[in-house]
Amino acid sequence: QQQVKQSPQSLIVQKGGISIINCAYENTAFDYFPWYQQFPGKGPALLIAIRPDVSEKKEGRFTISFNKSAKQFSLHIMDSQPGDSATYFCAPRGSNYQLIWGAGTKLIIKP
Amino acid sequence: KAGVTQTPRYLIKTRGQQVTLSCSPISGHRSVSWYQQTPGQGLQFLFEYFSETQRNKGNFPGRFSGRQFSNSRSEMNVSTLELGDSALYLCASSLTQGSEGYTFGSGTRLTVV
Repeated sequence: QQQVKQSPQSLIVQKGGISIINCAYENTAFDYFPWYQQFPGKGPALLIAIRPDVSEKKEGRFTISFNKSAKQFSLHIMDSQPGDSATYFCAPRGSNYQLIWGAGTKLIIKP
Repeated sequence: KAGVTQTPRYLIKTRGQQVTLSCSPISGHRSVSWYQQTPGQGLQFLFEYFSETQRNKGNFPGRFSGRQFSNSRSEMNVSTLELGDSALYLCASSLTQGSEGYTFGSGTRLTVV
């Protein structure tokens, strides 16, 4: 069964702090692990993604850490800013190129 | 370049009616996917079209259908609307089927009363 468990459901972080969102999966056939960011009134937008042959990828303040043996990957936002307040989704890609979406994490950065 | 355009942005329909939503992908993108987003169920995959053919289908009843035209524009139709169909319907485009990185439109907010 293709299932994805995202945690936490919501997260409040002080400005300048580190935000960490986790995603656990069951299907070992997933071959692409993206994180999407969604602001109110907008569709999700690709933030950062990783392939399973890499353990970490960093783009600016955003980092994905990938643990293949634990079947988990996480999003780290360093120096979190109020503009990062949004809902974040993990969406690993399974069979037929279909993305399997997590339930989302609502992140609030307090100034 | 222009992003993914979805029309209309907002729609109010009565239970039992039918509705058609439109999606124009980014120029050059040939794959279009549709999603339903609700607070309770999150993002759920409806179907994907590539080269005018449905390639994937999610677990939705037959009241939900779609099509893709030769210019890659896509429409989805929902017949016999139910209150539970109230949702944000999102369209995403990508270069081909299996491309990494979908680009989403801002969605159509459908309210069924």
